[in-house]
Amino acid sequence: DAGVIQSPRHEVTEMGQEVTLRCKPISGHDYLFWYRQTMMRGLELLIYFNNNVPIDDSGMPEDRFSAKMPNASFSTLKIQPSEPRDSAVYFCASISGEYNEQFFGPGTRLTVL
Amino acid sequence: GESVGLHLPTLSVQEGDNSIINCAYSNSASDYFIWYKQESGKGPQFIIDIRSNMDKRQGQRVTVLLNKTVKHLSLQIAATQPGDSAVYFCAENIGSGGSNYKLTFGKGTLLTVNP
Repeated sequence: DAGVIQSPRHEVTEMGQEVTLRCKPISGHDYLFWYRQTMMRGLELLIYFNNNVPIDDSGMPEDRFSAKMPNASFSTLKIQPSEPRDSAVYFCASISGEYNEQFFGPGTRLTVL
Repeated sequence: GESVGLHLPTLSVQEGDNSIINCAYSNSASDYFIWYKQESGKGPQFIIDIRSNMDKRQGQRVTVLLNKTVKHLSLQIAATQPGDSAVYFCAENIGSGGSNYKLTFGKGTLLTVNP
């Protein structure tokens, strides 16, 4: 298995632009998680899905952030409009409901200028 | 331990020595704990987990100890190798019978192994 796939790996954009991060979970995993990692705040859970349905989005920082999971093999995290304070590494992770081990993707490093 | 701001706790050891990384967790209701390893430029990788009904769990070269009285978790790495150099995170979860996957991560400890 290729593991969790994220794209792009790096994204540099200007303040005010829309940013879309993409994730393909491991096949057969029914939970998907989006995390944000910064030096100041560490690794924070933004939102997670079960069977494509958002279960808990309490970690989403504000309305500029939105996440979707249109099918079992694809999810997006969108920031519109982006701001410099959104600069971080964004991770996607997936898990099978039978186990507790979350498998993380390689992350997308976002820089908002 | 926990970090504040930009400063990660660091641990520097010699190759072959044993390493002990500590973590203080925050929620007395947490019933499941995990250690993750994160190498530079990569996502976190699962190392070992432990449930609150256990005090100790061993894996390959790693041991996790849980002290619920003082809300403390430790990761012991035996015969530390250069490939063990990474940031190590503890994470806690309130299991709710396994249906709650919300993990709260600590700030991490940077382990450096000197050859």
